[in-house]
Amino acid sequence: IAGITQAPTSQILAAGRRMTLRCTQDMRHNAMYWYRQDLGLGLRLIHYSNTAGTTGKGEVPDGYSVSRANTDDFPLTLASAVPSQTSVYFCASSDPWGRAFFGQGTRLTVV
Amino acid sequence: AQSVTQLDSQVPVFEEAPVELRCNYSSSVSVYLFWYVQYPNQGLQLLLKYLSGSTLVESINGFEAEFNKSQTSFHLRKPSVHISDTAEYFCAVIPNGGSNYKLTFGKGTLLTVNP
Repeated sequence: IAGITQAPTSQILAAGRRMTLRCTQDMRHNAMYWYRQDLGLGLRLIHYSNTAGTTGKGEVPDGYSVSRANTDDFPLTLASAVPSQTSVYFCASSDPWGRAFFGQGTRLTVV
Repeated sequence: AQSVTQLDSQVPVFEEAPVELRCNYSSSVSVYLFWYVQYPNQGLQLLLKYLSGSTLVESINGFEAEFNKSQTSFHLRKPSVHISDTAEYFCAVIPNGGSNYKLTFGKGTLLTVNP
């Protein structure tokens, strides 16, 4: 069982470019999340989805968009990347009791 | 809405010493509570959880946490730490019941165990 798969594992991106971070789960969880992790700031929620077809804004949604066309996939798109979006991005899903399962992260550098 | 406050950003201790990592939360609804651990260059892993029942919950590697509703706290403790416990620890909450699965984390506490 793979759990949560994120791609790519790392990326260097030119400012102004568009980028989609991919996330796929095989646990059939309804809830999925995108977090960014920055030193000293912990994990900050970008967007989340309670179930397929619905999404919600987290703590730091600006500059990011998500879609949830089906249960398994939850891509995160940066429409026009800026250096402040340099971070490690984690995708997660949670079971009905809130237990979250995380991917290994995507390390994104915007230059 | 809910929020999580981890009172210490860094906790250095010596091997075999006891440790407590503090977590307080705020929420307008009942919540489930969690501690997650992150080892270097890895994703987060669930350490332990409080869903209901006994307010003292334990993990398989000797950590325990106690839910205190009146103080809205969920502190993590271990009576004797090992070098291998060096990691970052995150407290988290999620609304209990309903269809809102918004999972909120604290900023993390870096536990460093020194020989």
